[in-house]
Amino acid sequence: GESVGLHLPTLSVQEGDNSIINCAYSNSASDYFIWYKQESGKGPQFIIDIRSNMDKRQGQRVTVLLNKTVKHLSLQIAATQPGDSAVYFCAENLKTSYDKVIFGPGTSLSVIP
Amino acid sequence: DADVTQTPRNRITKTGKRIMLECSQTKGHDRMYWYRQDPGLGLRLIYYSFDVKDINKGEISDGYSVSRQAQAKFSLSLESAIPNQTALYFCATSDPGLAGAETQYFGPGTRLLVL
Repeated sequence: GESVGLHLPTLSVQEGDNSIINCAYSNSASDYFIWYKQESGKGPQFIIDIRSNMDKRQGQRVTVLLNKTVKHLSLQIAATQPGDSAVYFCAENLKTSYDKVIFGPGTSLSVIP
Repeated sequence: DADVTQTPRNRITKTGKRIMLECSQTKGHDRMYWYRQDPGLGLRLIYYSFDVKDINKGEISDGYSVSRQAQAKFSLSLESAIPNQTALYFCATSDPGLAGAETQYFGPGTRLLVL
């Protein structure tokens, strides 16, 4: 079935190091992917997105890579800071008879000072 | 931020009680959603509405109902709450934007405990 999943449920990173959070998706018809960040006690917030006609997109300290061949998505955070500690969700937008967004289960990122 | 607000933020209720969770948005978006979040399961869609006259079931709609009172308001009801509906509930909005891109904007969540 359709699914979006994360390889690692938890990730601990030393402050200043780079973080990589991975995500697998199974629906080749998806054409839009989003990463969300959820801090404790808050709702998910948009970080960065990428369309299926791209393989890389950069933001401020974040980069999303899309590999359609293996249906893999990753979020790279450069120079990880304590404020990056949160749960990160990937999501895919399925263009079927209606727009539908499917979220992965989330990866918890902990930054070690 | 206050673009999407949810009330109440926390609620404790008993099995069998009727509960309503409310969501309001000032983003002017037509599309609104209700999700529940459980540990290890991510966000699961309960109901969604693409405009005031449109209501659609999500993947886990059983035991829930919704009402879209206006473009800015979308409420979720539990007609007879049960303990396995204990969860964190999020309202979200979106605007199709360019080429159907669906970035969603979430409220702060309502933590519900059913005893």
